[in-house]
Amino acid sequence: NAGVTQTPKFQVLKTGQSMTLQCAQDMNHEYMSWYRQDPGMGLRLIHYSVGAGITDQGEVPNGYNVSRSTTEDFPLRLLSAAPSQTSVYFCASSYSPGGTDEQYFGPGTRLTVT
Amino acid sequence: RKEVEQDPGPFNVPEGATVAFNCTYSNSASQSFFWYRQDCRKEPKLLMSVYSSGNEDGRFTAQLNRASQYISLLIRDSKLSDSATYLCVVTHPRGTYKYIFGTGTRLKVLA
Repeated sequence: NAGVTQTPKFQVLKTGQSMTLQCAQDMNHEYMSWYRQDPGMGLRLIHYSVGAGITDQGEVPNGYNVSRSTTEDFPLRLLSAAPSQTSVYFCASSYSPGGTDEQYFGPGTRLTVT
Repeated sequence: RKEVEQDPGPFNVPEGATVAFNCTYSNSASQSFFWYRQDCRKEPKLLMSVYSSGNEDGRFTAQLNRASQYISLLIRDSKLSDSATYLCVVTHPRGTYKYIFGTGTRLKVLA
């Protein structure tokens, strides 16, 4: 198993550009989520999904869109990048959506918006 | 007030020392509790789940105190390789599907 994979590992965007961060897992996990991690702020939940076709907002959803057309993939779209979105983004998955299972994290995407 | 609070540290301890971290949470109906470890510029990885009766894994012991709403992590016989940031994670009650992370406690084990 590859676990949770994320691409790209690094990205530099200009303000106003859009892009998609890719996340995939091969563990047949129902629950997938996106976090951003900033110094002193910890990991903050952006969006999550409890299964294909079902998504919901987390703590900091503004400026981001998600979709879940398959169990395996959960891309995160930045609609119009802003410097405030400079961060490290982690995708995570867990077997059940009930919040009782370990989350497995991808290696992260380091995004800089200039 | 943050939902999950941790002392950011750093805790600087010599090799072989015993060190303990606490984490407090504000939602009394929180369901599950975890400690994750995060190395610099890496992704978080599960260290251990925390059960009501307390649990131990080698040099690591985790405890949950629901009455006072905190969890703890004890590391005995610290190794240089234990240097990392330790994240406390709490899940909201069933049906809300959210994992809430503390900001982490940084540990540096010194030779």
